[in-house]
Amino acid sequence: DSGVTQTPKHLITATGQRVTLRCSPRSGDLSVYWYQQSLDQGLQFLIQYYNGEERAKGNILERFSAQQFPDLHSELNLSSLELGDSALYFCASSGGGPQETQYFGPGTRLLVL
Amino acid sequence: LAKTTQPISMDSYEGQEVNITCSHNNIATNDYITWYQQFPSQGPRFIIQGYKTKVTNEVASLFIPADRKSSTLSLPRVSLSDTAVYYCLVVLSGYSTLTFGKGTMLLVSP
Repeated sequence: DSGVTQTPKHLITATGQRVTLRCSPRSGDLSVYWYQQSLDQGLQFLIQYYNGEERAKGNILERFSAQQFPDLHSELNLSSLELGDSALYFCASSGGGPQETQYFGPGTRLLVL
Repeated sequence: LAKTTQPISMDSYEGQEVNITCSHNNIATNDYITWYQQFPSQGPRFIIQGYKTKVTNEVASLFIPADRKSSTLSLPRVSLSDTAVYYCLVVLSGYSTLTFGKGTMLLVSP
């Protein structure tokens, strides 16, 4: 158990819909990262937040957005969903410094029908 | 951005030592080498990180030659539960984001 929690574990929705994925970091960790893992693209970094502020952006689509709240939990919002958005979405947390170990959550499996 | 190259897959038997080599020819002076392990449908798990020479922890050893253009993850006496995908990453100095490649699928047989 990494100490990072993600909800829900599974999500099934239809194209065009919007969903919200939630992540609670390990106690004391200030940084939260979101990753997407699909069969064809592998594990891709989406976005990082540090203590409520966006710190780094990766391959995140404009239809996706995220935020980190004062209690440090984070939400990833996916809108106008397409079939290709079906994937595993992982959240990771760390203290926030460079080269610090990231601890990954169990993931949310999203299926868009 | 330093690109990493590692074998797509490897096979081993229980009790053997497994060495997975990763090449990273364009690694910069202050970059670190990090390895993660991932089981199916689970999040990656940190194994080990190093800068040069040798690093050892309770799970694995990491060997990095002087030129740092490659590194070798060594797993002693593997068991069936070590069957997983192993990712070699170069972590850029001053940055904390991770760039994952395709990894090495290690299959351990009885």
